[in-house]
Amino acid sequence: QVQLQESGPGLVTPSETLSLTCTVSGYSIKNDNYWAWIRQSPGKGLEWIASVYHSGRRAYHPSLTSRISISVDTSKNLFSLNLTSVTAADTAVYFCARTLGLVINYFDYWGQGTLVTVSS
Amino acid sequence: QSVLTQPSSVSGAPGQRVTISCNGSSSNIGAGYDVHWYQQLPGTAPKLLIYVNKNRPSGVPARFSGSKSGTSAALAITGLQVEDEADYYCQSYDSGLSASVFGSGTMVTVL
Repeated sequence: QVQLQESGPGLVTPSETLSLTCTVSGYSIKNDNYWAWIRQSPGKGLEWIASVYHSGRRAYHPSLTSRISISVDTSKNLFSLNLTSVTAADTAVYFCARTLGLVINYFDYWGQGTLVTVSS
Repeated sequence: QSVLTQPSSVSGAPGQRVTISCNGSSSNIGAGYDVHWYQQLPGTAPKLLIYVNKNRPSGVPARFSGSKSGTSAALAITGLQVEDEADYYCQSYDSGLSASVFGSGTMVTVL
């Protein structure tokens, strides 16, 4: 069974970098799937922010391109997210998920999510 | 503001049928991009409910069904049950944004 688990600091200082990791278990990250990050601000809806393939091919939400990077570590079966220059607007629950396409497709397995608060 | 518009809430009595609309435009649903639906119970991650407009993943009850027409899509729940009380989101791709997009979300309340 595919399982995803997010990890990272729950509190980030404004202007610093948010770094999260998603560890995949029960499934090889090198299989023919893409891997994504989605966030949900408190009381708000869902927002796709980035996707990556094990080869390194990646896509970012256009509004975040200047601040975001996503990478994959096939040796550890995980992928990661870095978001620089964070503000309070980046406070959200961050989910990692499996998807079948870089941008055009659905998300069939999700992690439980991790709350990241941006505050001094 | 999401490019996919959903009603903020719908409600129904147990056993009734409720429908959630997902209204898009010519750059997303109307352009032929598929629509997918998710159920999010309080405090949990979203769960894939319908994929590629009308398909149910294994384990999803048959009372959930999806449809798509023109620039809109819909999720129907027939025989509403107490455990269906949750938030529901549609999702598609928008060529104008070059991004996967989610609807604004609909809270379903079982009266």
